[in-house]
Amino acid sequence: NAGVTQTPKFRILKIGQSMTLQCAQDMNHNYMYWYRQDPGMGLKLIYYSVGAGITDKGEVPNGYNVSRSTTEDFPLRLELAAPSQTSVYFCASSTPPDHKAEKLFFGSGTQLSVL
Amino acid sequence: AQSVSQHNHHVILSEAASLELGCNYSYGGTVNLFWYVQYPGQHLQLLLKYFSGDPLVKGIKGFEAEFIKSKFSFNLRKPSVQWSDTAEYFCAVPLGAGNMLTFGGGTRLMVKP
Repeated sequence: NAGVTQTPKFRILKIGQSMTLQCAQDMNHNYMYWYRQDPGMGLKLIYYSVGAGITDKGEVPNGYNVSRSTTEDFPLRLELAAPSQTSVYFCASSTPPDHKAEKLFFGSGTQLSVL
Repeated sequence: AQSVSQHNHHVILSEAASLELGCNYSYGGTVNLFWYVQYPGQHLQLLLKYFSGDPLVKGIKGFEAEFIKSKFSFNLRKPSVQWSDTAEYFCAVPLGAGNMLTFGGGTRLMVKP
């Protein structure tokens, strides 16, 4: 059981380049999330999805886009990379937030540097 | 604005010392409360959670947390830490858009052997 799989693990981008961070889960979770983690700032929610075809902005969505064409996949797109997007990105999935078994399953993270 | 605050950003303890990490949230309604842990080089994983019932919650590896509604707090405790507890600890509460988890800024714990 792979859980939540993120690729790549590391990436260096030049300013203005674009890239897609991949995320896939095999637990049939409807809810999926993208967070970014910056030192001392905790995790900030970028986008989330409550099911295939449905996405919503989180706390810090500017500069990012997402899509959810299938239950399994939730890619995060950076169109014009900026130094402020240097961060560690975590994808996560879960059962619905109000469910008593609620917990987030996290991927191993993508460390992105924009130079 | 609704928020989650962790007061200690860095904590250094010797093995066998007692641990208490503070977590406060600003929300007056019914909440679920979580502590996640991130060991060096690993992804976040659930340490414990409070959903309802007994406000003293026991988690993995000897950790516990107490929900004090009147203080809007959910502090994490461990009577005797070990070197292997070195990690970053995050408190989280579903305060965000769509009831999504809002994380505190994290507390980095270093336990000296």
